[in-house]
Amino acid sequence: AQSVTQLGSHVSVSEGALVLLRCNYSSSVPPYLFWYVQYPNQGLQLLLKYTSAATLVKGINGFEAEFKKSETSFHLTKPSAHMSDAAEYFCAVSRAAGNMLTFGGGTRLMVKP
Amino acid sequence: KAGVTQTPRYLIKTRGQQVTLSCSPISGHRSVSWYQQTPGQGLQFLFEYFSETQRNKGNFPGRFSGRQFSNSRSEMNVSTLELGDSALYLCASSIGLAGNNEQFFGPGTRLTVL
Repeated sequence: AQSVTQLGSHVSVSEGALVLLRCNYSSSVPPYLFWYVQYPNQGLQLLLKYTSAATLVKGINGFEAEFKKSETSFHLTKPSAHMSDAAEYFCAVSRAAGNMLTFGGGTRLMVKP
Repeated sequence: KAGVTQTPRYLIKTRGQQVTLSCSPISGHRSVSWYQQTPGQGLQFLFEYFSETQRNKGNFPGRFSGRQFSNSRSEMNVSTLELGDSALYLCASSIGLAGNNEQFFGPGTRLTVL
């Protein structure tokens, strides 16, 4: 069975600081990995996905993530936080076939002025 | 291109009642998945439909059911509502069944059970 762990349910950074949101997965086979963002009272929006091509994946809004198989990690980073980045972020994994996503518990990012 | 739409956006029901939620996928998308989001359990997969057939099912009781129509629109039904069914129900559509497909989420239906 697949599982996803996001370390830190709440992360607070200052505007302009580095954003680092952690995600570790467990999977018996190389998975597909995703990061989604959810703003209040909205659905989920895809930030980026890893599908076994480049291990460094660039997404929207300046976010990127690096797939590290040896560490079973897929951490999300952004060099400089903006107030508009305040939201909840979810890491997810899927199998080779089908659209069933297994989500981590989410990390709420707060950005201080 | 219009996004995923879900109706209604908000719903209030009482225990024991049943409810039907609707999801219209993006035009051309044939896969529809449903998720339940609660503060305690997070995001959990309910089921997935493709070409009117249920392809995957999550670990939910039989009170939760769904179906997909020939135009790919999907409905989910919850019977004999319990207080714990209060949640945000999210629908996602995808073009196919490959695991690396992007899933596009709707805004959700917030169900409150009193």
